[in-house]
Amino acid sequence: KQEVTQIPAALSVPEGENLVLNCSFTDSAIYNLQWFRQDPGKGLTSLLLIQSSQREQTSGRLNASLDKSSGRSTLYIAASQPGDSATYLCAPYTGGGNKLTFGTGTQLKVEL
Amino acid sequence: DTGVSQDPRHKITKRGQNVTFRCDPISEHNRLYWYRQTLGQGPEFLTYFQNEAQLEKSRLLSDRFSAERPKGSFSTLEIQRTEQGDSAMYLCASSLRGLALKETQYFGPGTRLLVL
Repeated sequence: KQEVTQIPAALSVPEGENLVLNCSFTDSAIYNLQWFRQDPGKGLTSLLLIQSSQREQTSGRLNASLDKSSGRSTLYIAASQPGDSATYLCAPYTGGGNKLTFGTGTQLKVEL
Repeated sequence: DTGVSQDPRHKITKRGQNVTFRCDPISEHNRLYWYRQTLGQGPEFLTYFQNEAQLEKSRLLSDRFSAERPKGSFSTLEIQRTEQGDSAMYLCASSLRGLALKETQYFGPGTRLLVL
C-alpha cells in the first residue's frame, strides 16, 4: 500500500524567499507524480506532473524533482509571493490501482 | 468553462437522509475518479470509472455509497442514510486514458457535505 509523507506540515516564510517542500513515498513502482495546490475550501489545481523516467520538471517559478528509487520528490518555489500561500499536495500515481495517493500536504504562508 | 464541474458545491443534510452529488468531467476524458477529503487530510480515493465501467472501489466505499456513470459521461455519487462521519469534501477528477507516464488528473471544485 502506497504511503505518502510530506514535510514540513506547515511553513511560514517572508516574501521573496526560495523554499523547498518535501514528499516521500513508500512504493517506488509509480508512473508519475503530481504536485497540486489547494486553496482553503477549494478543489485541487495541478501544478506539475513529473514522469517516472524524468528527474526534473519546471513551470515558471516552480521546479519539481523526482528520485524514484529512493521514493522522494521535492517542489522548489523560487522568489515566493503572498499569492503562493496555499496547501501543497504531492500524489504519486500507481498504475496498479489507477489512483493517486495523497500526503497530508504542506500548508504554506508567504508573508509581506 | 471546459474544466471539471461538480454540483452542488455545498450540501447540508440531516443524519439519515440520502444525498446525491453530480460530476461532469472534461468532455473528452474517459476516466473519472471520486475522492473524499476530510479537514486537514489529503484526498482519499473512493472509486474510479473507465467509460461507464466502475473498475475499482476503495474499502472506504461502504454499502451506503453508490456511484454510477451510466453513459460514460457525467457521474453521480449517492450516499444513503448519511452519518455525521460522512461530512467531508467530495472531489471528482477526470483524465484521458493514454500513456500512463503522462496521465494527468484534473480536479473539480468539490462538493462540501455537512451532516447534522
